[in-house]
Amino acid sequence: DAGVTQSPTHLIKTRGQQVTLRCSPISGHKSVSWYQQVLGQGPQFIFQYYEKEERGRGNFPDRFSARQFPNYSSELNVNALLLGDSALYLCASSPAFGTDTQYFGPGTRLTVL
Amino acid sequence: GEDVEQSLFLSVREGDSSVINCTYTDSSSTYLYWYKQEPGAGLQLLTYIFSNMDMKQDQRLTVLLNKKDKHLSLRIADTQTGDSAIYFCAEIHFNQAGTALIFGKGTTLSVSS
Repeated sequence: DAGVTQSPTHLIKTRGQQVTLRCSPISGHKSVSWYQQVLGQGPQFIFQYYEKEERGRGNFPDRFSARQFPNYSSELNVNALLLGDSALYLCASSPAFGTDTQYFGPGTRLTVL
Repeated sequence: GEDVEQSLFLSVREGDSSVINCTYTDSSSTYLYWYKQEPGAGLQLLTYIFSNMDMKQDQRLTVLLNKKDKHLSLRIADTQTGDSAIYFCAEIHFNQAGTALIFGKGTTLSVSS
């Protein structure tokens, strides 16, 4: 069975640009969460989506947005990129909303120049 | 505060046992997790423990939970060079704002032969 998949693997953008990252959850999982991992730190929670609705949001600016599609895949959008947005963006899926265990994808490495 | 604390580095010899320690913050956390991250990769779920348990063993891994002190540890028996990685402790926060994993900064385990 395929695990969580993310695309692209790597991405280089310049300040002020916009970026879209994609995630496909494990088959049968209905919840997707996004995390940002800056070098040398643990992942920080950005969003959780369940059944196409936002169910949780971390302490991130409005430049960050996301959505979930009917097939439960998800996109994370970041506008007006800053140098500090350079990070590994991780997607995690879980069967449902609540305390279900989250399984992570390989991440998308975003570099902002 | 909301910080999950971990020691940053641990160095052991191949064949020895490794013990990675973590203190968490939320006494109401129902699950506590250990994830492993190899260089350039996403997070791999190693094991988890439910808050009403004191200990969980899974092959070479033993998790101990001390709820009174909010202390979690991961013991890796017969540590191998392939165990070299960053290990993250995480607690789960579930409330009306959603479900978020709160991670420590990670412990870098270095195994020498």
